[in-house]
Amino acid sequence: TQLLEQSPQFLSIQEGENLTVYCNSSSVFSSLQWYRQEPGEGPVLLVTVVTGGEVKKLKRLTFQFGDARKDSSLHITAAQPGDTGLYLCAGEKVRDNDMRFGAGTRLTVKP
Amino acid sequence: GAGVSQSPRYKVAKRGQDVALRCDPISGHVSLFWYQQALGQGPEFLTYFQNEAQLDKSGLPSDRFFAERPEGSVSTLKIQRTQQEDSAVYLCASSLDSGVADTQYFGPGTRLTVL
Repeated sequence: TQLLEQSPQFLSIQEGENLTVYCNSSSVFSSLQWYRQEPGEGPVLLVTVVTGGEVKKLKRLTFQFGDARKDSSLHITAAQPGDTGLYLCAGEKVRDNDMRFGAGTRLTVKP
Repeated sequence: GAGVSQSPRYKVAKRGQDVALRCDPISGHVSLFWYQQALGQGPEFLTYFQNEAQLDKSGLPSDRFFAERPEGSVSTLKIQRTQQEDSAVYLCASSLDSGVADTQYFGPGTRLTVL
């Protein structure tokens, strides 16, 4: 069982649609990060959230950290083909020394 | 280069062979992390260095896996007597400071295939 459960595992949508992907856990995290990974490359950090209830926006991407710091969501508005990729969440548990990743959501945006 | 580099990018090994994977972090970065990413999965933490000190190796799956960073810069992940289940992409990341939550910059990974 993954420490961080991401859903959906796969998502295929048309250009212009909105979407939300989720990252859930029963553990509390001191920080949570979202990454995007393209084939043949390493993950690239999109955002870090550290405060329960925090909302961060990055152009068409909105990230929210749950009040209890156990879950997070990523909402994309008006998706574009360039948004295609693997979206990973990763969390640093309280009093832990490493970061744990979810299995990712593989997003495909069709033109 | 400005980013994290890894070599080789691809490695094919016969079962039982030893392999060594190299990571060149961003110059001046204190922390270095190794992850294993199986097909269709997220990265799994293997080990963490702060300068030359290996502070956490709890993620190494067996004693066949060994990592070092002797001078606090370049790191090598060695896998002895490779097995088919070792097939994965091995990612290296570095961060400027010692905090785990600090931005980690990932290399492109080494794709290891064990036949």
